[in-house]
Amino acid sequence: GESVGLHLPTLSVQEGDNSIINCAYSNSASDYFIWYKQESGKGPQFIIDIRSNMDKRQGQRVTVLLNKTVKHLSLQIAATQPGDSAVYFCAENRPSTIQGAQKLVFGQGTRLTINP
Amino acid sequence: GAGVSQTPSNKVTEKGKYVELRCDPISGHTALYWYRQSLGQGPEFLIYFQGTGAADDSGLPNDRFFAVRPEGSVSTLKIQRTERGDSAVYLCASSLTGGTNYGYTFGSGTRLTVV
Repeated sequence: GESVGLHLPTLSVQEGDNSIINCAYSNSASDYFIWYKQESGKGPQFIIDIRSNMDKRQGQRVTVLLNKTVKHLSLQIAATQPGDSAVYFCAENRPSTIQGAQKLVFGQGTRLTINP
Repeated sequence: GAGVSQTPSNKVTEKGKYVELRCDPISGHTALYWYRQSLGQGPEFLIYFQGTGAADDSGLPNDRFFAVRPEGSVSTLKIQRTERGDSAVYLCASSLTGGTNYGYTFGSGTRLTVV
């Protein structure tokens, strides 16, 4: 069936290094993707999004890359800080049965640990 | 309020009991969503409200689950005859209109434990 998943369940990097979190999706019709950060005891927090008519989008210390050919999404975090430690989810935005509505399909998540 | 508020933050109930989980969305947001997150998993869609109506309830797992939003603001997720498999974090999110041009804001969730 259709799914959104992640290549690695855990990732550890040294503080100050760059990190890359990967995500594979299988629904070729998906046209909008979102990365969320979730800290313990909190809800998912929006980081960055990208539409399928783009292959790269940059924010503050974060970059999302989209490769539609191989249906792959990645999140790059530059100069990681201790506060970046969290679980990161990619989510695929799918149309609901109601016009204009949406619902998110989340992957399992990657736990990122920043080592001092 | 400034964000999405969910109460209670934690709920422990006995198998077979009835529970209600409450969500206060961001003021003015017409779209409201419920998700369920099991341990170590990503959130799974349950139901979507546009205004007062449940526009998409395709994610509700069975008829023990029901949600309402009578005045188009606060929503309540109701679970009857709870089972141990219902234990999870129940997340609520709201969005300005529900279209793809606006993102979601999630609450911190209600952790439900059925013993």
